[in-house]
Amino acid sequence: EAQVTQNPRYLITVTGKKLTVTCSQNMNHEYMSWYRQDPGLGLRQIYYSMNVEVTDKGDVPEGYKVSRKEKRNFPLILESPSPNQTSLYFCASRIRTGGPYEQYFGPGTRLTVT
Amino acid sequence: DAKTTQPNSMESNEEEPVHLPCNHSTISGTDYIHWYRQLPSQGPEYVIHGLTSNVNNRMASLAIAEDRKSSTLILHRATLRDAAVYYCILLQNYGGSQGNLIFGKGTKLSVKP
Repeated sequence: EAQVTQNPRYLITVTGKKLTVTCSQNMNHEYMSWYRQDPGLGLRQIYYSMNVEVTDKGDVPEGYKVSRKEKRNFPLILESPSPNQTSLYFCASRIRTGGPYEQYFGPGTRLTVT
Repeated sequence: DAKTTQPNSMESNEEEPVHLPCNHSTISGTDYIHWYRQLPSQGPEYVIHGLTSNVNNRMASLAIAEDRKSSTLILHRATLRDAAVYYCILLQNYGGSQGNLIFGKGTKLSVKP
């Protein structure tokens, strides 16, 4: 089954403790991205990647890092999480950049930073 | 980025058609019109997209105005499962940010039994 998976689905952590949220897709997609969703602010893009080793900032990249060493994986790294990064995070992928291809979203990771 | 305007909320009765409007008066000639929806506690889900012509798929129909400044997502028979937030998004098909979806606030659709 074609899908985007994220782990963990739920995470409670403390300020400053480094964490990684994994994202994996099994569709051989070139393009992957991360979004966060907050009440009243909607979905905002954090980072995106157009292919292996090619990443770029989205609208709200501060406090986050990403890497794209393999085509299928696109982890989101919070080196020193803060309470304002408490949010619902979605990973997404599409076959490639350019063209009207649909984007597939993961089920979400709910992160709480205390 | 070209913006879209949607009503904050709409209500429908089950098994009746629903027409969800979207205005995008600053759309450029190469922008695709995409619709996604987000069911409660789930990630967004692709619904349909189009460029100039009306489009149909198993989920919905998309009617695009001749001047492309507005479009309407049509659910032919709403079910309770269609209760979701529907997003109308213009997908830029040029430049380095190709493929980046910019979500607005969307329309929250409620379906009454």
